[in-house]
Amino acid sequence: GNSVTQMEGPVTLSEEAFLTINCTYTATGYPSLFWYVQYPGEGLQLLLKATKADDKGSNKGFEATYRKETTSFHLEKGSVQVSDSAVYFCALTAPGGTSYGKLTFGQGTILTVHP
Amino acid sequence: DTEVTQTPKHLVMGMTNKKSLKCEQHMGHRAMYWYKQKAKKPPELMFVYSYEKLSINESVPSRFSPECPNSSLLNLHLHALQPEDSALYLCASSQETQGLHYGYTFGSGTRLTVV
Repeated sequence: GNSVTQMEGPVTLSEEAFLTINCTYTATGYPSLFWYVQYPGEGLQLLLKATKADDKGSNKGFEATYRKETTSFHLEKGSVQVSDSAVYFCALTAPGGTSYGKLTFGQGTILTVHP
Repeated sequence: DTEVTQTPKHLVMGMTNKKSLKCEQHMGHRAMYWYKQKAKKPPELMFVYSYEKLSINESVPSRFSPECPNSSLLNLHLHALQPEDSALYLCASSQETQGLHYGYTFGSGTRLTVV
């Protein structure tokens, strides 16, 4: 079946530090890949996405590149802010089979940014 | 309108109560989803509706009963819940069933406490 593995957290950084959250996946076919962010007490917001190999998703200074050869979709940001403190979920959808209509999530990474 | 609206935001119910959660979207999305999220965990899929028909039930207990009255509205009827059902219930929608190219739009959730 499909699965997503994220680096374990929590991750604690100082403001303006560089951020990397690793994400690797296993999927049949050609999945679409997503990063979602969940701020405290809120639902999930789509941060960025990529639908085919070598696509780069970007939004609000965050970037992730769909690497088919390494089955990875690592999230990066050059300079984090306190307001980036949240839980980050890597996720995928894959066509067909029993995964039809299902978004598969990683375990989530808690990010805390200190001033 | 690019939102998924969920009501109520908070709900406390007894184990003998009957209550309903409501979800609404006006983006013309034809797939709608219910997810359950426990603290510090990723969301877990419960139900998928595609073109107003139930297409996936992830072996959810019958005390949870979904309903899709029209293409914009999704309800989750609750009856005889247990304290372990306390969680954040998230509704999501997507332009097509698998959300492959456009991703999923999530609501902010209903935080349910069963006493």
